[in-house]
Amino acid sequence: DIQMTQSPSSLSASVGDRVTITCQASQDISSHLDWYQQKPGEAPKLLIYDASNLETGVPSRFRGSGFGTHFTFTISSLQPEDVATYYCQQYDKLLSFGPGTRLEIK
Amino acid sequence: EVQLLESGGGSVQPGRSLRLSCATSGFTFRNYAMSWVRQAPGGGLEWVSSISRSGVSTYYADSVKGRFSISRDNSKNTLHLQLNSLRAEDTALYYCAKDKRATDNCCLDFDSWGQGTLVTVSS
Repeated sequence: DIQMTQSPSSLSASVGDRVTITCQASQDISSHLDWYQQKPGEAPKLLIYDASNLETGVPSRFRGSGFGTHFTFTISSLQPEDVATYYCQQYDKLLSFGPGTRLEIK
Repeated sequence: EVQLLESGGGSVQPGRSLRLSCATSGFTFRNYAMSWVRQAPGGGLEWVSSISRSGVSTYYADSVKGRFSISRDNSKNTLHLQLNSLRAEDTALYYCAKDKRATDNCCLDFDSWGQGTLVTVSS
């Protein structure tokens, strides 16, 4: 099984800040990685697919990068509506999610 | 507009069974692989099971293999998950999710999700 780890597990940042979350896979998954946003009480929403492709309708302040085992998710300028938990998910071998990163506003 | 509506959740005793359903609309159901993802109260997302668009291929997480069974009815645009031998650790909100890409590869990324149906396993 492929294990996914994320760091940090939670973070607090100010509006306008640049925010970065990392995701690491236990083995090479090429670019087979997605990022999801889940706001409280809502279903998850796909933001980034294939490690770096922005899903249709998602604001351009969200960005993904990486290949192999190390991946990065960035919000270039944090907005109040970005308060959520963010998950990475691999689909190289079956599927598995990272444990999530809870993002709050200072 | 894509819509996914789960049903069938409830409160059951350990060892009992439940059958979840996901009624879909707004897309050509038979063209997309489908999956179930669950989330324990206060917890993260856990992939549970997936099924190819034809229904021929099915996939399960180790935690549910041998106890859960996924199926689909392409004539009724409906996805099912049969949950047998339920355990306390199966308590979760169960989401139905649609694959983003209409391919024979299953399963990749989920571009549409339902609102979930809650399964509570307790004596």
